[in-house]
Amino acid sequence: QSALTQPPSVSASPGQSVTISCTGTSSDVGGYNRVSWYQQPPGTAPKLMIYEVSNRPSGVPDRFSGSKSGNTAFLTISGLQAEDEADYYCGSFTSSNTRVFGGGTKVTVL
Amino acid sequence: EVQLVESGGGLVQPGGSLRLSCVASGFTFSNSWMHWVRQGQGKGLVWVSRIYGDGRDTTYADSVKGRFTISRDNAKNTLYLQMNSLRAEDTGVYYCATDGGYSLYHWGQGTLVTVSS
Repeated sequence: QSALTQPPSVSASPGQSVTISCTGTSSDVGGYNRVSWYQQPPGTAPKLMIYEVSNRPSGVPDRFSGSKSGNTAFLTISGLQAEDEADYYCGSFTSSNTRVFGGGTKVTVL
Repeated sequence: EVQLVESGGGLVQPGGSLRLSCVASGFTFSNSWMHWVRQGQGKGLVWVSRIYGDGRDTTYADSVKGRFTISRDNAKNTLYLQMNSLRAEDTGVYYCATDGGYSLYHWGQGTLVTVSS
């Protein structure tokens, strides 16, 4: 199972928006609405931010939103804040009933 | 409050074995699918294994199949990962996590495994 493809880094100024892409195949991202996104600040454990493509767990700000088109999923952070600086990973359910992650994207707030 | 506490990590020689544990609290453990995930130093997340609530169904990443075994003791609210024939590439922080909406919902703080001679 190959890792999902994410850009290594994105950056923007406070208040702006960033969008992170996550590209897989029809056997994972494209085949199921079971894509999730995780935030990981340095030295901490990952935290679930989005599940089932576009759902936010309780406590996650609505600045975070998810979507999907074909084999690519997207995480958008609107109104970027300094505290959003972290690594972000996408994940997907697969046709083999396993899970697969992306390589991670570092979000920098300028 | 959901809590997951991993333990059992350490330094082991290539070819050696190690058993990780994850003690769960704050939710009905026996109803929950559970996962193990590895993260190498400065690297990304790698999914390792998953087990159903009753322990009857398990799946593994190809890289660990035949070497690692996931199991659970629902009476002790504990998840395990038995790791045999360890390789340098198995080095990393191992996290346990709950499953929710086909995502990894709650995560522990991790335990470090170092495979080196």
